[in-house]
Amino acid sequence: QVQLVESGGGVVHPGRSLTLSCAASGFMFSGFAMHWVRQAPGKGLEWVALISYDGSNKYYSDSVKGRCTLSRDNSKNTMSLQMSSLRLEDTATYYCARDGAFDVWGQGTTVIVSS
Amino acid sequence: DVVITQSPLSLPVTLGQPASISCRSSRSLVHSNGNTYLNWFQQRPGQSPRRLMYRVSNRDPGVPDRFSGSGSGTDFTLKISKVEAEDVGVYYCMQGTHWPPMYTFGQGTKLEIK
Repeated sequence: QVQLVESGGGVVHPGRSLTLSCAASGFMFSGFAMHWVRQAPGKGLEWVALISYDGSNKYYSDSVKGRCTLSRDNSKNTMSLQMSSLRLEDTATYYCARDGAFDVWGQGTTVIVSS
Repeated sequence: DVVITQSPLSLPVTLGQPASISCRSSRSLVHSNGNTYLNWFQQRPGQSPRRLMYRVSNRDPGVPDRFSGSGSGTDFTLKISKVEAEDVGVYYCMQGTHWPPMYTFGQGTKLEIK
């Protein structure tokens, strides 16, 4: 079945880096743009970034622009979000979601930025 | 930037009664191609978000027909005809019309059973 599985979350100190991954299965990954959406503890949803189906175009929210880099490997059906200079306010559960208007979501991976 | 405002933020409802959530945009969500990219999502406690509706009123597969979406321009509504216990959670609307630069979610409406 169509599935997205995130990984890579953890506890990290402010200013450090972390890479999140999203593994897709059950659909033609190379045909879809992909999103990252995050949710801080007890808060709402915030769109973070989008990578086009072939990786040629990438878009970031102002809150992560300059600190995050998207990439994807269509041969492995995976997408990654490299996060650097992490801040306390980056603490959140990070979801990957399929474009096609966010019709498929993963279960999320949690990032905790703490000193 | 487009601002999306949901109301109410908290919605206590008696089982079997209707519920309605409003979503208002600071700009019209009609795209130049004529489509309106306004989606609704449900997030049950402890779960990932799940899309309920796309382009205002199109119900996703598996979504009960007690859910309906309506609206146009800047004002949109998600209605539940008869609330059931499984409907407890937070509901979000989201615009995708004014992208780039970004997609915008509403603050969320927490539905609970009275």
